[in-house]
Amino acid sequence: GENVEQHPSTLSVQEGDSAVIKCTYSDSASNYFPWYKQELGKRPQLIIDIRSNVGEKKDQRIAVTLNKTAKHFSLHITETQPEDSAVYFCAAALGGAGSYQLTFGKGTKLSVIP
Amino acid sequence: IAGITQAPTSQILAAGRRMTLRCTQDMRHNAMYWYRQDLGLGLRLIHYSNTAGTTGKGEVPDGYSVSRANTDDFPLTLASAVPSQTSVYFCASSSEWGVGDTQYFGPGTRLTVL
Repeated sequence: GENVEQHPSTLSVQEGDSAVIKCTYSDSASNYFPWYKQELGKRPQLIIDIRSNVGEKKDQRIAVTLNKTAKHFSLHITETQPEDSAVYFCAAALGGAGSYQLTFGKGTKLSVIP
Repeated sequence: IAGITQAPTSQILAAGRRMTLRCTQDMRHNAMYWYRQDLGLGLRLIHYSNTAGTTGKGEVPDGYSVSRANTDDFPLTLASAVPSQTSVYFCASSSEWGVGDTQYFGPGTRLTVL
């Protein structure tokens, strides 16, 4: 089955700096890569995703890049703010009709220091 | 519109007891999922359902069962709870077709098995 590795497990940055979280996946057939943000005590929420036919996607201060050859993808947050502090999870999915199964990384706890 | 709801919010359970965690969505999503979240391990898929009447096993199905009698409800049952099933359980759903449809998570159930 799919295996997703996520690094680092914790990350501290100064407010205004950039944060980068990296993930690798094992199954070259995976074709969908979402990123979820989970604040303390809350549910995971999708913040951005990318499909395997795209190399980069951007949404305001958040961007995701995908390297299919190397089987890794990264989340970039620019101009970090205290409200970006949370646990971030990457995931990889093998598509199928009707549903798809996500395999998650173990998470990165991001702390943005004011 | 409530989206996706779970009950109970939290539960303390004696080992050996039977427990059903409830999940209901009103988004008419055909696909539903159950995950468990443990510190340092991220989110792991327990069971999933493509559509009413069908279910499948995820990464960690042992000790759990599910049913999908209708589109809206996807209960998760622990037939005889064990302490290793202490975890936070999240239900999620996604719309019918195609990989990449966002998985929406419920608020979670915190279960403690003593």
